Amino acid sequence: ELKVEQNPLFLSMQEGKNYTIYCNYSTTSDRLYWYRQDPGKSLESLFVLLSNGAVKQEGRLMASLDTKARLSTLHITAAVHDLSATYFCAVAHNAGNMLTFGGGTRLMVKP
Amino acid sequence: EPEVTQTPSHQVTQMGQEVILRCVPISNHLYFYWYRQILGQKVEFLVSFYNNEISEKSEIFDDQFSVERPDGSNFTLKIRSTKLEDSAMYFCASNILRGRSTNEKLFFGSGTQLSVL
Repeated sequence: ELKVEQNPLFLSMQEGKNYTIYCNYSTTSDRLYWYRQDPGKSLESLFVLLSNGAVKQEGRLMASLDTKARLSTLHITAAVHDLSATYFCAVAHNAGNMLTFGGGTRLMVKP
Repeated sequence: EPEVTQTPSHQVTQMGQEVILRCVPISNHLYFYWYRQILGQKVEFLVSFYNNEISEKSEIFDDQFSVERPDGSNFTLKIRSTKLEDSAMYFCASNILRGRSTNEKLFFGSGTQLSVL
């Protein structure tokens, strides 16, 4: 059974600071996704990571994937208040399209 | 940008009643999904659908659940006899390709909040 764990579950940080969210998963997979969710809203796709060593960046967010360690990171650079949201990683089962989500990291960026 | 649309945004029902949640996937997409999120918890996969049949389903998707694509645009989730624990936000999603080894994103709708009383 595929298990996906994120940490931390909650992160409060000051604007301008850097931090990293971690996503560990238990079995091999060929795809890992990062999503953002604002309160009461849907899931916004941020990144799709397909291969070992993959790194993608969009603005202040950078995601990476280490398939050997079964670990993905979402790095936040110089956080701003607008980044406050819950961030989920999700791992695809190799056999198909089913995604298993992590528990989410609720990020609060304080001015 | 095209989007997945869901109706209604909120649905309140009595325990034991049937509900149908509706979704219109992005028009050229071929794979359709239902996920749910109980308040404060993680997002859980329910079912995937392709070529007019279920391709994968989770343990949550028991006999009380069914999906249908009644016409060329709608994709529905029916819960036959709702239970209190069915209260959740239900998300529909779609993508154009089977996601394996592609960078094809999965697009989610804005969700239907189901409250079972």
